[in-house]
Amino acid sequence: RKEVEQDPGPFNVPEGATVAFNCTYSNSASQSFFWYRQDCRKEPKLLMSVYSSGNEDGRFTAQLNRASQYISLLIRDSKLSDSATYLCVVRSSGNTGKLIFGQGTTLQVKP
Amino acid sequence: DGGITQSPKYLFRKEGQNVTLSCEQNLNHDAMYWYRQDPGQGLRLIYYSQIVNDFQKGDIAEGYSVSREKKESFPLTVTSAQKNPTAFYLCATQQGSVADTQYFGPGTRLTVL
Repeated sequence: RKEVEQDPGPFNVPEGATVAFNCTYSNSASQSFFWYRQDCRKEPKLLMSVYSSGNEDGRFTAQLNRASQYISLLIRDSKLSDSATYLCVVRSSGNTGKLIFGQGTTLQVKP
Repeated sequence: DGGITQSPKYLFRKEGQNVTLSCEQNLNHDAMYWYRQDPGQGLRLIYYSQIVNDFQKGDIAEGYSVSREKKESFPLTVTSAQKNPTAFYLCATQQGSVADTQYFGPGTRLTVL
């Protein structure tokens, strides 16, 4: 079983749609959680950190459920510019700062 | 991200040759990391360094070597022992605390001919 699992998609949605991505992780001792965005042939960029209380940044909302070891990302009112691959990232336990990456979920927003 | 440079952007290598990828940062971050990304896969950790003159193997270190002689620099050498080196190589930095996030350079795309 992979340490971090995501549905690879692709998710094809029309502009203005709401789309949700899910991610599960296997290590219950994982310390922190992130969503990164990666455009085609570019480096990943931090989209947002994920907290147990949930957090929102404009059209983006991230949720963490530690009991179920589940992370989600909700994008409201999708824009064409949201088209990208979204990486679920989990920091392992211990003091190495090692990040474990999911394979990514591809989103294509169409006009 | 801003402050992390990787060179070259594209690199072609013949089989049997060693090649060194550059990663430089001016963010004054303590930790630096090397990842490789293959199509349809997540990033995999090759090597990391949390302090100058010290580094540790990641999950897929075989066929790679690194050095950390300066805080700003963490070059990666892909040796001829690496069986499948064609990939997208990403360097990342982290400020210091284990809770801090990582920021990525623009990457080097290596192709073995």
